[in-house]
This record gives sequence, structure tokens and C-alpha cells, in this order.
Amino acid sequence: NAGVTQTPKFQVLKTGQSMTLQCAQDMNHNSMYWYRQDPGMGLRLIYYSASEGTTDKGEVPNGYNVSRLNKREFSLRLESAAPSQTSVYFCASSEPGGGTGELFFGEGSRLTVL
Amino acid sequence: AQSVTQPDIHITVSEGASLELRCNYSYGATPYLFWYVQSPGQGLQLLLKYFSGDTLVQGIKGFEAEFKRSQSSFNLRKPSVHWSDAAEYFCAVAPEGSNYQLIWGAGTKLIIKP
Repeated sequence: NAGVTQTPKFQVLKTGQSMTLQCAQDMNHNSMYWYRQDPGMGLRLIYYSASEGTTDKGEVPNGYNVSRLNKREFSLRLESAAPSQTSVYFCASSEPGGGTGELFFGEGSRLTVL
Repeated sequence: AQSVTQPDIHITVSEGASLELRCNYSYGATPYLFWYVQSPGQGLQLLLKYFSGDTLVQGIKGFEAEFKRSQSSFNLRKPSVHWSDAAEYFCAVAPEGSNYQLIWGAGTKLIIKP
């Protein structure tokens, strides 16, 4: 059981380049999330998708776009990368409502923007 | 605004000693409360959670946490730490009705002295 799988694990970009982070979960969860983690700041929510077909902005959505491709997959796109987007990105999934509230995380994608 | 405070950025504990990591939250009602652990280079894993009922909750890996409404606290404890407990620990809250949109503390890094 793979859980939540993120690709790529590492990426180096130049300022202005674009890229997409991919995330897939095999737990049949309805909700999926993209977080960024920066030292001393905990996790900050970028976007989330409560269910297939819906996406909503989180705390720090500027500079990012997302696509909920189907129930399994939720991608995060940086259209024009900036050094401030250097971070570790985590995808997570959960079963809301009657679920336990537990988030299941991928192993993270470390992005460096030069 | 709702917030979560983990006052200790780093804590150093000798192997075999007891541990307490502090977490305070700012929220009018009782939220759902969580502790997650992040081992180096890994995603986050749920240690334990509190929704209602007994204010002392048991989690995985021998951890427990106590919810104290009067102090708006949810401190994490372990009677005897092991070298494998070295990790970063995050407290998070989800206000009731938020559909588990978590608010995260900045994390506490646990260092174990041999």
C-alpha cells in the first residue's frame, strides 16, 4: 500500500521557469492538500481539494495553481518560479466528515529556485 | 485569529529521560487537537489526536497527551525517550466544523543525548 506518492522528490529551477508537482493517493480519500514547509514556520496550506472537482485556496496560494485531475491525483503548478518558493512541499490526503481527521502525508518534494 | 504556539524550538533530552513538549492554542471553543511527528527527510505521521471524552489520550510509540481546557494546552509526553524519538514534532488544531483544515504550530525539534 503506497499511501501518498509525490514526484519529483527533488527539483532545481531557475527563476521564471515552470514546473508541476504530482501527487497521487491510493486510499480512496476525498480530500487532498498541498502544503509548504519552511524552517520555523510549520506547515502552511497552499490549496486544498475537499472532493473531486473542487479546489480552494489556503493560506498562501499566490504563485501557485492546482488541478484535481481525478479522485486519486492532485497536482500543484508553479507557473513562474521565484526564489521565495524555495521550500519543501507536502501533499496530503484525508477522509473528512465522518472520517478520523487524520492527514496522510507524502514524503515531500524539495524545490530550490535559483 | 486562531493560532497554535509551540514555545520550544529545540529541546534536548537524555536517552531514557522523560519528555514533555508544550502546545498552546488560541480558539474560543474546543477544537480537534493533533500531534504529528516528522522524522528527518520524511513526511509527517500522526502520533495521536483528541476529539472529545477522556482528556488523556494515548498514541503510538508510547506517547500520550493531555488536553487542559483551562490552559488551552495539549502537551505531549513520553516517560522515557529513545534515540529513535529524535525528530520534529508538530501540534495542530482543527476548529470544530472546519472540515479538518488544520492550523499548525511551528514545530519543536527533539534532540536526544546519548
